[in-house]
Amino acid sequence: EAQVTQNPRYLITVTGKKLTVTCSQNMNHEYMSWYRQDPGLGLRQIYYSMNVEVTDKGDVPEGYKVSRKEKRNFPLILESPSPNQTSLYFCASSLSGTPSPEAFFGQGTRLTVV
Amino acid sequence: AQSVTQLDSQVPVFEEAPVELRCNYSSSVSVYLFWYVQYPNQGLQLLLKYLSGSTLVESINGFEAEFNKSQTSFHLRKPSVHISDTAEYFCAVSVSGGFKTIFGAGTRLFVKA
Repeated sequence: EAQVTQNPRYLITVTGKKLTVTCSQNMNHEYMSWYRQDPGLGLRQIYYSMNVEVTDKGDVPEGYKVSRKEKRNFPLILESPSPNQTSLYFCASSLSGTPSPEAFFGQGTRLTVV
Repeated sequence: AQSVTQLDSQVPVFEEAPVELRCNYSSSVSVYLFWYVQYPNQGLQLLLKYLSGSTLVESINGFEAEFNKSQTSFHLRKPSVHISDTAEYFCAVSVSGGFKTIFGAGTRLFVKA
């Protein structure tokens, strides 16, 4: 089954404690991205990757890091989480190229930073 | 730069009534338009998309959206909603060859019995 898998689904952590949210896709997609979803703001892109070893900032990259060492994996790293990073996070993947294809989303990770 | 505005944050409607969820976009170049649906505690799923051709696009569960270039709109409609349509709906836009998709703030559709 084609899917994007995120782990964990729920996470409560304390300020400053480094964490990683994993994302893996089995569709051989080149393009992957991370979004955060906040009430009234919709989805905002944090980082994206066009292929292995190619990443770039989205609209709200501050406080986050990513890496793309393998095509299927795109982890999101919070080196020193703060309460304003409490949010619902989604990983998505899609085929690159034209026309712009649909994005496949993971189930989401609800992060609470206390 | 592109932007998306969903004009209603919440839309309550009775079962079997028609519904329209409004979406306007701004862009200086040609765009692709999408509607995604998010059911409770789930990720987003593509509902329908406009890439080119016919301006009226349909989904398998009875939703349709019409691309109106002159009004820069892509409103989502359904003639008769079901309780199971209760979800949050996101309008999104991307540009030809682009890697970035801009999402609207979402519209929460609440279908009442």
